[in-house]
Amino acid sequence: DAGITQSPRHKVTETGTPVTLRCHQTENHRYMYWYRQDPGHGLRLIHYSYGVKDTDKGEVSDGYSVSRSKTEDFLLTLESATSSQTSVYFCAISGGRQGGDTQYFGPGTRLTVL
Amino acid sequence: AQTVTQSQPEMSVQEAETVTLSCTYDTSESDYYLFWYKQPPSRQMILVIRQEAYKQQNATENRFSVNFQKAAKSFSLKISDSQLGDAAMYFCAYTAGGTSYGKLTFGQGTILTVHP
Repeated sequence: DAGITQSPRHKVTETGTPVTLRCHQTENHRYMYWYRQDPGHGLRLIHYSYGVKDTDKGEVSDGYSVSRSKTEDFLLTLESATSSQTSVYFCAISGGRQGGDTQYFGPGTRLTVL
Repeated sequence: AQTVTQSQPEMSVQEAETVTLSCTYDTSESDYYLFWYKQPPSRQMILVIRQEAYKQQNATENRFSVNFQKAAKSFSLKISDSQLGDAAMYFCAYTAGGTSYGKLTFGQGTILTVHP
């Protein structure tokens, strides 16, 4: 298994509070991604990173920000959580030697916003 | 924008039988990659199989194989000799090659039930 951990694994928070999810990898992979999974939508890309301090938006980036100050860590922040951000969040990594490199996923974080 | 469609929300199969899960995609790219991921109740996303669009040969991994029809933009997954452990949600996914940064577009998923 690829060395990817996510923390926390479960979180319940209230509307309007800030939340930060952490993804940590031990594979020294260049590319990191955040997806959210909702019923009927599969997984959708929120943000991704192609190197330290290099990030860009995905399909559903509104309300989210990210940071990557080290190769191994990719943080996802919800500045002011809303109920629509209740979801399961997955981090993924890829070696990125070519565009189609396989992505390996972390175990996911279930976030509930009340 | 690329889209991936899985038209079967649910499928079921008897143990030891064969089942095929459907996936279609839309793209204007010529260089791309397709994947099937499995998500068991544990929620972990597990790669099942990967197909490179420029390869005409269909990918195979043990009991799992794909039928890749490039002109029809179809990418179905065949599971042979189904086992109880195959029960899961299956996702089809697409990424463009080149400088796409590997961003994946997923289908909605198909829930597979395996009956003993």
